[in-house]
Amino acid sequence: SQELEQSPQSLIVQEGKNLTINCTSSKTLYGLYWYKQKYGEGLIFLMMLQKGGEEKSHEKITAKLDEKKQQSSLHITASQPSHAGIYLCGAGLFAGGTSYGKLTFGQGTILTVHP
Amino acid sequence: KAGVTQTPRYLIKTRGQQVTLSCSPISGHRSVSWYQQTPGQGLQFLFEYFSETQRNKGNFPGRFSGRQFSNSRSEMNVSTLELGDSALYLCASSLGSRDTIYFGEGSWLTVV
Repeated sequence: SQELEQSPQSLIVQEGKNLTINCTSSKTLYGLYWYKQKYGEGLIFLMMLQKGGEEKSHEKITAKLDEKKQQSSLHITASQPSHAGIYLCGAGLFAGGTSYGKLTFGQGTILTVHP
Repeated sequence: KAGVTQTPRYLIKTRGQQVTLSCSPISGHRSVSWYQQTPGQGLQFLFEYFSETQRNKGNFPGRFSGRQFSNSRSEMNVSTLELGDSALYLCASSLGSRDTIYFGEGSWLTVV
């Protein structure tokens, strides 16, 4: 069973629309990362959230961590074709709070943005 | 500042052979971790090294091994390759346990 569940698995939006991707954990989150990946390429770091209730923004992307619900969301405002790709959430789920570089990832959300 | 560098980017190997992949972390980063990405299993953690010591290991057979050198560069080795080892192998580095983890472009391994 997946320890990190992302929803939706895929998303097709028209350029200019807002969208949200969710990441839900079955265990307590000790830090959560959001990455973007173009198929076959490496992961591009977007944001890292470490505290419950934390919210970070970069350009048109906002990520929040609700530690009580063991959930994070990634919101894109006014989407553009450049936002297309695979979005991955990754978390350190190691008991005690130190994951030693081990991240457990969700299965990814494929985002398509039509011009 | 250079990012995480992985070599080679693409390679094709035959079943039964062995392969070595290389990773140069971001300058100053002492933690290096390796991941395997496949369409069926997604991104899975292989192992992590810090100051030449393996601190964490994923659930992979002993055919998968790695090491880290004193300059923090790391290599991973897969022996007796199987078709199922075909994957994108990603290396990541960070300063320490709770710091941002940055990934390289990956090494595409195809086993035929």
